[in-house]
Amino acid sequence: NAGVMQNPRHLVRRRGQEARLRCSPMKGHSHVYWYRQLPEEGLKFMVYLQKENIIDESGMPKERFSAEFPKEGPSILRIQQVVRGDSAAYFCASSRGINTDTQYFGPGTRLTVL
Amino acid sequence: SQKIEQNSEALNIQEGKTATLTCNYTNYSPAYLQWYRQDPGRGPVFLLLIRENEKEKRKERLKVTFDTTLKQSLFHITASQPADSATYLCALEADSNYQLIWGAGTKLIIKP
Repeated sequence: NAGVMQNPRHLVRRRGQEARLRCSPMKGHSHVYWYRQLPEEGLKFMVYLQKENIIDESGMPKERFSAEFPKEGPSILRIQQVVRGDSAAYFCASSRGINTDTQYFGPGTRLTVL
Repeated sequence: SQKIEQNSEALNIQEGKTATLTCNYTNYSPAYLQWYRQDPGRGPVFLLLIRENEKEKRKERLKVTFDTTLKQSLFHITASQPADSATYLCALEADSNYQLIWGAGTKLIIKP
């Protein structure tokens, strides 16, 4: 049973380009969460999605950031016109349900903006 | 709003001793609290969940306590080994039933 998969593991973009991060949840999991982590800091919640629905995007900047979780295929976190401040590790987690259910994390995508 | 405080300084422990990490929260007592382990370059891995009506939870060499009066959870690793070296994160539910709030983690170093 494969765990949560994220790709790419490392992504380098120049300022102004677009970054597209992918997350495939564990089999049987329909809840996906995206987090951002800066060095020496805790995880910051960005967005919570269920299949085809954004449930909570309160942690995601309103501009340049978007997320989706289509019926088929992985969840995508998209950052348009990246800036240096977007450089961070972005983690995706999935769970079977909500309400205290354990979240299983992917290995993360390390985004570097030059 | 809820805040979580974990000791930001690295904790150095001699192999074989018990390591104790602290997680304090500032506001309401959550229904549950979770502990995760994170190794460099990897995502967090779930270790233990303790509910508000549980005083203590154990799993092999790990023990977690939850004191809602002190607003604190303690995470213990007994008979520590160098392989236990990692950053340990505390997380608890936010005021929604799906969003977790995370501490910054405490780096644990077990010296042989």
